[in-house]
Order: sequence, then C-alpha cells, then structure tokens
Amino acid sequence: GAGVSQSPSNKVTEKGKDVELRCDPISGHTALYWYRQSLGQGLEFLIYFQGNSAPDKSGLPSDRFSAERTGGSVSTLTIQRTQQEDSAVYLCASGLAGGTDTQYFGPGTRLTVL
Amino acid sequence: GENVEQHPSTLSVQEGDSAVIKCTYSDSASNYFPWYKQELGKRPQLIIDIRSNVGEKKDQRIAVTLNKTAKHFSLHITETQPEDSAVYFCAASMRGGSQGNLIFGKGTKLSVKP
Repeated sequence: GAGVSQSPSNKVTEKGKDVELRCDPISGHTALYWYRQSLGQGLEFLIYFQGNSAPDKSGLPSDRFSAERTGGSVSTLTIQRTQQEDSAVYLCASGLAGGTDTQYFGPGTRLTVL
Repeated sequence: GENVEQHPSTLSVQEGDSAVIKCTYSDSASNYFPWYKQELGKRPQLIIDIRSNVGEKKDQRIAVTLNKTAKHFSLHITETQPEDSAVYFCAASMRGGSQGNLIFGKGTKLSVKP
C-alpha cells in the first residue's frame, strides 16, 4: 500500500516568511511524528500526535513552530517567521500506535531559508 | 529525559568483514530499540528492532543485542557488502503515556570498501 507522503519535497523561502509542510500518514495509522534532520546530523524529535490525545509538543524548538492534525489523518507543520537556522530536512513518520510500534518515515521536505 | 549515545560516528570496513555499532541509553524505562538505515538523500528505513524482553534478535546478516543492565545495545552486520554503505541510526523509546517518540543517536556513517 501507499507509504507516508510529504509535500513539498523541496521548499526555498526567504527569511521571515511563513511556511507550511504537509504530511499524509499511512492509512489507519493513529500515531504521527515530526522530526527534523539538519545536514549531517541525527533526527531531532519535534512533535507527536496519538489519536485524539493532546499532542506531545515537547520537542518544538520555539513558539514559531506549530503543528496540527486534522481528522486524525493529515498533518501540517507550520514555521512562522523562518530563520536561516530552520534550514533542514523535515521528516514525518507514522505508526499504528505510539511507543514500541514501528515508525515509517516519509521522504521528507528539504527546507532552505535564504 | 532519554539520551542516546552512538559510536563510532564513522566506520570503514572491507567487504566481507563484520561491522559493529554500539549505542547506550540513559532511561531504564525505555523498552523499544529500533535501528534505521539511511542512504544518501533517502528516508530512514527500519532494518531491525528489539524489545526489552529479548536479549538478541537476528535477521540474516543483521543482528541486534540488548543488555538492559548496562543499558546498551549493538548492531552487528556480518559479511558486509558495498550496498550496506549508509548512515545507521539507533533509537530508543518508551511505551506508555505520551512518550511515543523515538530518541535517536547521532548516526554512524558506514563505508564498505570493495
């Protein structure tokens, strides 16, 4: 079946602009995660949605970052007033449930802030 | 919170040799330990995982061992092939509550020389 998809694949923006990144999880997956991967670095957790529970926002680096998940499916990560240090690959993952269940990653969105 | 350390950061082996990557974690409540392989420009792909009720798991040329007492786990790749060249990430997570996200190590770049 279809895997996790993300759009756009690449996004170039100017410093100070807002951007929205989209994630379509695997159908039926209740858990959805956003991670950030800077060049040559590991994966940094940003936010986690599980079903109808309140999201775990503990990884968001600043209040310029926010995310929502509509109808328990599609998620949008929004970065307001982008800064050059926001440049990274933003990866979305989904799973059947949180914790010890496999997370399947999307292809990522490469964000470049000029 | 959980912290995962991964060593070495780079590893170069000859084709046919074995490769071992080691990770340590800090939170004794962590109970799920996946390993992801990420080829250049691609998404992380799960290659093997282990849960805390198991000490070792093997899948063809890949094996993972877990020592809960010492809080470390290792990836073993035998008979390495050039296509094993990639960045490998270990991770840890904990079931329960909102703690569903993975905490990743910083990655090991494995190069297999023909």
